[in-house]
Amino acid sequence: SYVLTQPPSVSVAPGKTARITCGGNNIGSKSVHWYQQKPGQAPVVVIYDDSDRPSGIPERFSGSNSGNTATLTISTVEAGDEADYYCQVWDSSSDPYVFGAGTKVTVL
Amino acid sequence: QVQLVQSGAEVKKPGASVKVSCKASGYTFTSYYIHWVRQAPGQGLEWMGIINPTGGRTDNAQKFQDRVTMTRDTSTNTVYMDLSSLRSDDTAVYYCARSLGDPSTFDFWGQGTMVTVSS
Repeated sequence: SYVLTQPPSVSVAPGKTARITCGGNNIGSKSVHWYQQKPGQAPVVVIYDDSDRPSGIPERFSGSNSGNTATLTISTVEAGDEADYYCQVWDSSSDPYVFGAGTKVTVL
Repeated sequence: QVQLVQSGAEVKKPGASVKVSCKASGYTFTSYYIHWVRQAPGQGLEWMGIINPTGGRTDNAQKFQDRVTMTRDTSTNTVYMDLSSLRSDDTAVYYCARSLGDPSTFDFWGQGTMVTVSS
């Protein structure tokens, strides 16, 4: 089955830029979705279809996808961005909906 | 507004079954698939299966092929997930989420249902 690889953690100072990667074999050919999950809450989609932003999600969140790596970028990071972030794709394999293991973003 | 409201927390003994419900509102029930995703304590998200509310067709992750049954009731816009032969490692928060279909995102999620399996 398809595997997505994320770094376990990313630390960033307030006001700086956080980049979270999601690696997968030829992931650039797939649609990547990103979810933010705060403690005790359900996940919320922050980027879908590689780079589209749902209504209500700040422009500080952006996404890109090429080759073997997709990236979620959070610009001008705020304390409220501290959360776990998961990438997800659909793959035509036996278990088609795949999540990365998640990246914990810590705001210093 | 779109809502997916799940049933409350459950405590079950090993070997028992649990049935979690997910009631949809604020959109046309048959226009979106419903997925079940679980999250063990301190762990990541794990996809369990999908149901098409239109015809009731389901597809489970290989890991849950023999233990998960998903059904729907179109008269109440509710989807059910039944997990049998519970083990301690089934202790998790279970979420329902909707999507338009492959490869669309899970755009709305339920609030989650905590299932604890303990003797």
